[in-house]
Amino acid sequence: KQEVTQIPAALSVPEGENLVLNCSFTDSAIYNLQWFRQDPGKGLTSLLLIQSSQREQTSGRLNASLDKSSGRSTLYIAASQPGDSATYLCAVGGGGNKLTFGTGTQLKVEL
Amino acid sequence: SAVISQKPSRDICQRGTSLTIQCQVDSQVTMMFWYRQQPGQSLTLIATANQGSEATYESGFVIDKFPISRPNLTFSTLTVSNMSPEDSSIYLCSVRDSPYEQYFGPGTRLTVT
Repeated sequence: KQEVTQIPAALSVPEGENLVLNCSFTDSAIYNLQWFRQDPGKGLTSLLLIQSSQREQTSGRLNASLDKSSGRSTLYIAASQPGDSATYLCAVGGGGNKLTFGTGTQLKVEL
Repeated sequence: SAVISQKPSRDICQRGTSLTIQCQVDSQVTMMFWYRQQPGQSLTLIATANQGSEATYESGFVIDKFPISRPNLTFSTLTVSNMSPEDSSIYLCSVRDSPYEQYFGPGTRLTVT
């Protein structure tokens, strides 16, 4: 059974700082990995999708990497802004069309 | 990317009643899913909504409690039946695009008293 863990559970940083969010998964037989953002009381916004054959994806200030063999992914956020404050969720796509979600990292970027 | 809407956005319901949540997508999609997010928890897949046939439920979820309809490729409903306070959650509709990127609706926040 796939298990997904995210560290840290919560993070508070000053504006402008570069930061890394971590995601680890127990079963390396994955199809893809997707990073989402969730604002309080809202749905999920897709940030980046990495296919199992890829090593990384970039979108603006965001860069996500994938190391299948070690069961790890990182989300790098450059020059953080208060608008980046949200919960970031990592989800692993496996067999049976199923996404397994991590527990999330709650990020607060302070002025 | 698909645009997904859900109704209602939130509701407060009494124990023992049922609530039907609607999900509408702006384009035809093959794969549609229903997730639950309990307070302080991450998302758990309830079922895959199959067009024209019965939904496929995950372990721990049953059709009598969470009946699902999918009459066409753009619409689905999830009913939460005989509700108890433990059903208080955010319920999210999701669709899968190609290649395998998944999108979520805004969610329905349910409180059962």
